[in-house]
Amino acid sequence: EAQVTQNPRYLITVTGKKLTVTCSQNMNHEYMSWYRQDPGLGLRQIYYSMNVEVTDKGDVPEGYKVSRKEKRNFPLILESPSPNQTSLYFCASSTALTDTQYFGPGTRLTVL
Amino acid sequence: AQSVTQPDIHITVSEGASLELRCNYSYGATPYLFWYVQSPGQGLQLLLKYFSGDTLVQGIKGFEAEFKRSQSSFNLRKPSVHWSDAAEYFCAVGDPRGGATNKLIFGTGTLLAVQP
Repeated sequence: EAQVTQNPRYLITVTGKKLTVTCSQNMNHEYMSWYRQDPGLGLRQIYYSMNVEVTDKGDVPEGYKVSRKEKRNFPLILESPSPNQTSLYFCASSTALTDTQYFGPGTRLTVL
Repeated sequence: AQSVTQPDIHITVSEGASLELRCNYSYGATPYLFWYVQSPGQGLQLLLKYFSGDTLVQGIKGFEAEFKRSQSSFNLRKPSVHWSDAAEYFCAVGDPRGGATNKLIFGTGTLLAVQP
């Protein structure tokens, strides 16, 4: 089954404690993106990747890092989380950044 | 710059009634247009998309959308709503040229409630 998986689905952490949210896709897509969803703001792109070892900033990259060492994986790293990063995060993959995005189930992050 | 507006934050309809969700965009040419649905606790699922050609697009779950260039709109419709359609709906636009605007821009969403 074609899918995008994210782990963990739910995470509660404290300010400053480094964390990683994993994302994996099995569709051999070149493009992958991370979004955050906040009430009243819709989805905003954090980072995207056009291929292995090729990443670039989206609209709200501050406080986040990503890496793309393998085509299927695109982890999101928060080196020093802060409460304003409390949000719902989605990973997505696609054949082009402006084409259909296939979304993961989301990760709800709470930073205390 | 591209932008997407969904004027209705929250809509309530009765089961069996018709539905229209509004989406307006700002873009210099014809963009790629999408509607996604997000059920509670789920990720986003594509309902339909428009790239070119016939301006009336059919999607999954009985939804359709019509691209109207003169109104810069891409409204989503369904003739008869089912209780399972209760969800949040997002309109999105993409620049066909990619490049510097190599991403989708999402609207802020419309939350649909369905009354029995």
